[in-house]
Amino acid sequence: DTAVSQTPKYLVTQMGNDKSIKCEQNLGHDTMYWYKQDSKKFLKIMFSYNNKELIINETVPNRFSPKSPDKAHLNLHINSLELGDSAVYFCASSQVNGLQETQYFGPGTRLLVL
Amino acid sequence: KNEVEQSPQNLTAQEGEFITINCSYSVGISALHWLQQHPGGGIVSLFMLSSGKKKHGRLIATINIQEKHSSLHITASHPRDSAVYICAVLTGNQFYFGTGTSLTVIP
Repeated sequence: DTAVSQTPKYLVTQMGNDKSIKCEQNLGHDTMYWYKQDSKKFLKIMFSYNNKELIINETVPNRFSPKSPDKAHLNLHINSLELGDSAVYFCASSQVNGLQETQYFGPGTRLLVL
Repeated sequence: KNEVEQSPQNLTAQEGEFITINCSYSVGISALHWLQQHPGGGIVSLFMLSSGKKKHGRLIATINIQEKHSSLHITASHPRDSAVYICAVLTGNQFYFGTGTSLTVIP
């Protein structure tokens, strides 16, 4: 069984549309993340969500909104998509025990905005 | 200037060679991660370090907190090690990522 799953795997859409990417983890972890990897392969954290608290990266436009219906899910909703939003988006989950943490990544969602 | 610098950016090695990838950072950290990204895009977490050294199979990761430096070593490299290796540091609730080292191991 896949530990961290994302849907869809590929997403092609027009500029201006609103879309969502879903992420689910079956590891029982408390912490989940969304990352964006752009065309230059830079990996940047967008959001992290730990059970009770959503930590927002201030460089992320407010068109991006994470939603967590429960501990196992952290979905990413994007409003008014722009060409520059084209990227691969990775979801991850982790369990922190003191300073020990291992992140498990989803397979990525390849978003192309036309 | 990036908070996390990796070197080299690109590395080509012959099968069997010993490989070292370096990571230097400029922020105070609580942990450092080494990640591996395969050509298909999947990312795997290799190590999480806060001090000392860790070994897993042919992979060894070390960190020197005083010098703000970490290295990832691959012994007896194999073509299946070809991937992008990314260093990431955790400070507070913020991750900073290096730009990655693209490794190609030639048979």
